[in-house]
Order: sequence, then C-alpha cells, then structure tokens
Amino acid sequence: EAQVTQNPRYLITVTGKKLTVTCSQNMNHEYMSWYRQDPGLGLRQIYYSMNVEVTDKGDVPEGYKVSRKEKRNFPLILESPSPNQTSLYFCATRDRSSSGYTFGSGTRLTVV
Amino acid sequence: AQSVSQHNHHVILSEAASLELGCNYSYGGTVNLFWYVQYPGQHLQLLLKYFSGDPLVKGIKGFEAEFIKSKFSFNLRKPSVQWSDTAEYFCAVNLYNNNDMRFGAGTRLTVKP
Repeated sequence: EAQVTQNPRYLITVTGKKLTVTCSQNMNHEYMSWYRQDPGLGLRQIYYSMNVEVTDKGDVPEGYKVSRKEKRNFPLILESPSPNQTSLYFCATRDRSSSGYTFGSGTRLTVV
Repeated sequence: AQSVSQHNHHVILSEAASLELGCNYSYGGTVNLFWYVQYPGQHLQLLLKYFSGDPLVKGIKGFEAEFIKSKFSFNLRKPSVQWSDTAEYFCAVNLYNNNDMRFGAGTRLTVKP
C-alpha cells in the first residue's frame, strides 16, 4: 500500500530542545515536501526536495532544516524550537506536477 | 504575488442542500488545479484535480469542479451534501511543471443533520 509515514503524531517539547520529525515514503517518488498548517492560513510550504541531495526553501523556511540522503526519507529538523513553531506539520510526496500530493498523517507539535 | 483565494471561511448547510465553494488564483500561466479534503483529525486527501482537457472534472464522493480560465476560478460543487461531508476543503494550484504548489486558506464546511 502506497503511504507516507510520519513520526511522531504528537509531540510536546520545550523551547530550544532540538527535535526531528521523520517522514518516509514507499512510492519511489523523487519529490517530497514539508508543510505547516495553521488556522486561517492554510498550508504553507517549509522546504521541498526534488531528488536525493537536492533541497530548497519554501515560503517559511526560517527555523527549520531538512536533509535528503535517501530517496524515501525526508526528515524535518528544528534545531532550536520556539513557541511560534507550534503547528500541525505534514509531509507530502508526489510523482509529477500534474499529480496530487499524498500526505502523511501529520505531526501536531507544541513548543512550550 | 501569486496566490490562491478561497472566499468562504466557514459554510454551514443542512443535509441535501447544494454546495459551491469558491476558489480563485492569480497565476498567469498554465496551471494544475486541485481540491483536497481534510476530515476532522485527519490528513489531506485528494478530492479531484484538473490539468488538461474537459474543464468539468468529477472527483470522489459526488464532488465536481469547473475550471473557468477566463475567471481564474476552480469552484467545487456537490448537488446534495451529506453530514459526512463535514470537513475542511482546500483549493491548491501549481504552475505546469513547477514544484511550487500553493494552497488556499481553506473553507470549513459544517453539514447539519
């Protein structure tokens, strides 16, 4: 079954404590992306990757890092989380630009 | 700036009412258009998409959308909503062969039984 697996689903952390949200896909897609969802703002792209070792900034990259060492994995790293990064995060992948995204189940992050 | 606008933030309907959710975009080139649905507590799922051909596209669960190029619009419709359609709906646009997909702010639909 085609899927995008995100972990963890829920995370509460303290300001400044580094964390990583993992994302893995089994569809052999080259394109992967991270979004954050906030009420009234829809989804905003954080980073995307067009292929292994190729990453680029989206609309709201500040405070985040990503890596793409393997095709299937695209972790999101918050080196020093702050309360304004409290949000719902989604990893997504797709085949072509005309294809829709397949989303992961989401990670609800709270930074206190 | 390129953007996607969804005019209604929250729509409340009774079961069997007809639904139309508006979506307008500001891209000038050839576009791919999408509607996603997010049921409470779940991730986004693709409802339907348009990338070429017949501007009236049909998706899952009885939804359809019409691409009107002259109006830069891609409105979502359903003739008769059900309580189970209660969800948030997102319109998304990306330029043909471009990796930049933009989402609207979403429209929350509440269907009363």
